[in-house]
Amino acid sequence: ETGVTQSPTHLIKTRGQQVTLRCSSQSGHNTVSWYQQALGQGPQFIFQYYREEENGRGNFPPRFSGLQFPNYSSELNVNALELDDSALYLCASSSVRENTGELFFGEGSRLTVL
Amino acid sequence: LAKTTQPISMDSYEGQEVNITCSHNNIATNDYITWYQQFPSQGPRFIIQGYKTKVTNEVASLFIPADRKSSTLSLPRVSLSDTAVYYCLVVPTDSWGKLQFGAGTQVVVTP
Repeated sequence: ETGVTQSPTHLIKTRGQQVTLRCSSQSGHNTVSWYQQALGQGPQFIFQYYREEENGRGNFPPRFSGLQFPNYSSELNVNALELDDSALYLCASSSVRENTGELFFGEGSRLTVL
Repeated sequence: LAKTTQPISMDSYEGQEVNITCSHNNIATNDYITWYQQFPSQGPRFIIQGYKTKVTNEVASLFIPADRKSSTLSLPRVSLSDTAVYYCLVVPTDSWGKLQFGAGTQVVVTP
C-alpha cells in the first residue's frame, strides 16, 4: 500500500507567478484535502475534492483552485502568488467508505515566494 | 465548529507519562475528538480518536469525561522521538476531511 506522495518537495517562485502542486492519494482513498501551513502555525484547510468535484472550501480566495483526476490524484493551483503564500502545502487523503476522522497526510510541498 | 484550547507547550523527561488536556466547551453531539502528531517538516499523523469515555491504542490513550467538554491525551513512557506538536481537533461526522487545526501543543522530551 503506497502512502500519500506530493511533488515537488521544495520550490521557489516570485510574486505574481503561478504554481501547481501535485498529490497522489493513498491507494483506495477517494477523497483529497489540501492544507496550508505557515511557519509556526497549524495547518489551515483550503479545500477538499471528492469524485472530482470540490466538496468544501476554507477561507481562501479564488486564486487557490484545484483538480481531482479519475485516479483520485489531485492538483493545487495558486495564481498571482503573494509573499504570504509562502508555506508548507499539505495534501491528505481519506476514504469516505471508512467513515473515520483519520486523514493520511503527505510530507508536503514547501513553497517560498520571493 | 467547536473551538479547542490546549497548552502551548509542555516539557517532559524520557520515561515519564505526558498528559495533554484540551478543552472544547462548545462540542456538538455529532463531534468526535481527534488528536494528531506532527514532526517538523512532515505532515500530521493521526494518533487517536474518540467520542466518549476512554479509548486506547498502541500509541496513546484518550480520556473523555461524560460532559465531553474536555479531553486528555495520555502518552505513556515518552521517548525523545515523541518530541513533536500535538493537535487536538473536534471533528463533525459530516466534515471528516475538513479539519480545523489550532496552534497545537509543543511537547519537548529531554533525556
